[in-house]
Amino acid sequence: SQTIHQWPATLVQPVGSPLSLECTVEGTSNPNLYWYRQAAGRGLQLLFYSVGIGQISSEVPQNLSASRPQDRQFILSSKKLLLSDSGFYLCAWQGQRSYNEQFFGPGTRLTVL
Amino acid sequence: RKEVEQDPGPFNVPEGATVAFNCTYSNSASQSFFWYRQDCRKEPKLLMSVYSSGNEDGRFTAQLNRASQYISLLIRDSKLSDSATYLCVVTIYGQNFVFGPGTRLSVLP
Repeated sequence: SQTIHQWPATLVQPVGSPLSLECTVEGTSNPNLYWYRQAAGRGLQLLFYSVGIGQISSEVPQNLSASRPQDRQFILSSKKLLLSDSGFYLCAWQGQRSYNEQFFGPGTRLTVL
Repeated sequence: RKEVEQDPGPFNVPEGATVAFNCTYSNSASQSFFWYRQDCRKEPKLLMSVYSSGNEDGRFTAQLNRASQYISLLIRDSKLSDSATYLCVVTIYGQNFVFGPGTRLSVLP
């Protein structure tokens, strides 16, 4: 069966510090991968998605970036965090077949102080 | 107009009640539809896909009306464990998932 891991689970960082969040998927190959952010009390905002190694699509201009160095690894980064980057970051995977459901990892709760 | 809109909620219902959530979407090219539930401070989890003919899974029934661009979720015989936020999700091109803002449900003893 497929599983998706994210770490760390929680993170408290000062403004201006760098960020690296990691997501890995097991039990499937060539998944579509997604990064979402959910601000407190708000809906999910799609940040990036990837259909393959090295292929990244950005949905929202911001100070975040994403990379997919391996088939089942997706990384979210920032060189300098802003207060507005605080939120719940969720990674999701989807099978390659069109219109499949997405399945989410447990998320990383980021607080920028 | 937002791409996906849901009942604002919250819904507070007693155990055993029947509750219905509504969702409308703006893009007529939308192709797949889902309901997810999200518990407080947890990740969303797939509740059910929504098919054109409607579908049922135990106490949960989902309906789709493409002509009206409307999706619904009916929960019968509510349980305390049904308390969560319910997210309506619409996809346009398979990879493009659009989430509604969610409707919060509290089932009261």
